[in-house]
Parts: sequence; C-alpha cells; structure tokens
Amino acid sequence: NAGVTQTPKFRVLKTGQSMTLLCAQDMNHEYMYWYRQDPGMGLRLIHYSVGEGTTAKGEVPDGYNVSRLKKQNFLLGLESAAPSQTSVYFCASSYSRRETQYFGPGTRLLVL
Amino acid sequence: AQTVTQSQPEMSVQEAETVTLSCTYDTSESNYYLFWYKQPPSRQMILVIRQEAYKQQNATENRFSVNFQKAAKSFSLKISDSQLGDTAMYFCAFMRDSNYQLIWGAGTKLIIKP
Repeated sequence: NAGVTQTPKFRVLKTGQSMTLLCAQDMNHEYMYWYRQDPGMGLRLIHYSVGEGTTAKGEVPDGYNVSRLKKQNFLLGLESAAPSQTSVYFCASSYSRRETQYFGPGTRLLVL
Repeated sequence: AQTVTQSQPEMSVQEAETVTLSCTYDTSESNYYLFWYKQPPSRQMILVIRQEAYKQQNATENRFSVNFQKAAKSFSLKISDSQLGDTAMYFCAFMRDSNYQLIWGAGTKLIIKP
C-alpha cells in the first residue's frame, strides 16, 4: 500500500517548456487535489477533482491544467512554464470532502 | 474570507520539554474542521491531529493534543515530552464543512535541541 505517489520528484524546465506531473493513489479515494507550496507560505490549492472525469479550479489555477481520466490518477499540466511556477507541488487525496487529506511526497519544480 | 494565522515563525525547545504552537483562524461558519500537519525536512506532509468544530472535546494523539477554543477561534497544538524527531515545520489548516479547500497558515518551524 503505497498511499499517494508523485512522479517526478524533481524537474528543471526552461521557460516556455511543457510538462506533466503525475499523481497516483491506491486508497480508492474519490477526491484528489493539487497544491503548490512557496517559501514562507502555506499550501495553495491549484485544482481539485471530486471523482473520475471531473475537475474544478482552486485558488490559483492560472497556467495549469488537470485531468482525471482514471480514479486513481490525477495529472497536473504546465503548457508553457514560467519562472513564477517554480515551486514544490503536492498532490493529496481523500475519501470524501470531510475526510482527512493524505499527501504525496512532493515534486520540486525549477523553471529557469 | 477565511484566514489562518500562525504567529510564531520559529520556536526551539530542549528535548523532553513541552511546547505549544499557536494558531488562530477567522471564519463566520459554525461547522468546520481544523488540522495540524507536520512537514519534516523530507518535505512529506503528515497529519498530526484533526479537530471537528462541533466536538467540544479536545483531540489527542499520543504526545500531541490540542486546545480548541471555539469562541476565541484558537487552535493550539501541545507537544509533550518533545523528541528530536519532532523537529519540523508545523502547519495549521482550516476547512469549511461546505467546501473542499484547506486554508493553510504560514507555518511554525519547530527545532528540538538535544
């Protein structure tokens, strides 16, 4: 039982490049979330999903897209990376809206 | 808008001492959830304790307990018999019953000294 996993752990991009971050959970959770964490700040919600095939915007969605084609996977895409997207990205999942969110280990992204 | 404030950017205590981390929040909601998460140097975000606002009894998990004061909108975390492995960033977070979003404080860096 791996919980929540994220791929890759670390990535360096040049401005304008694209990439996809993968989040996978094996807990059969309905809800999945993407957050970013910047220095000196708490996490901020980018996008979330309340079930397979659904996605919704969070607090800071601009510059990101997501997809939830399978219940266990939640993808975060950057179409044209910008230095302002340098951050640590966390994926989380929960069984329901009121239940505790469990987090992956994070992906550190550096955009030059 | 909901906000979460952690007024102590950094704290340090000796091993085996007791330490209390502060958290205040602002909301007009009557039902909500409060969390403390720990983030060690490994960056993994780990749930420490969870409190449901409609429950008057303070949550406890082994050496970790909270002092939940609903009227004062205060949610402090007490760590008893602190251990070196407790060294981490600690984040307080709030979630409305009607929403999916966790609102996070800026964190408190806790250092346990040997």
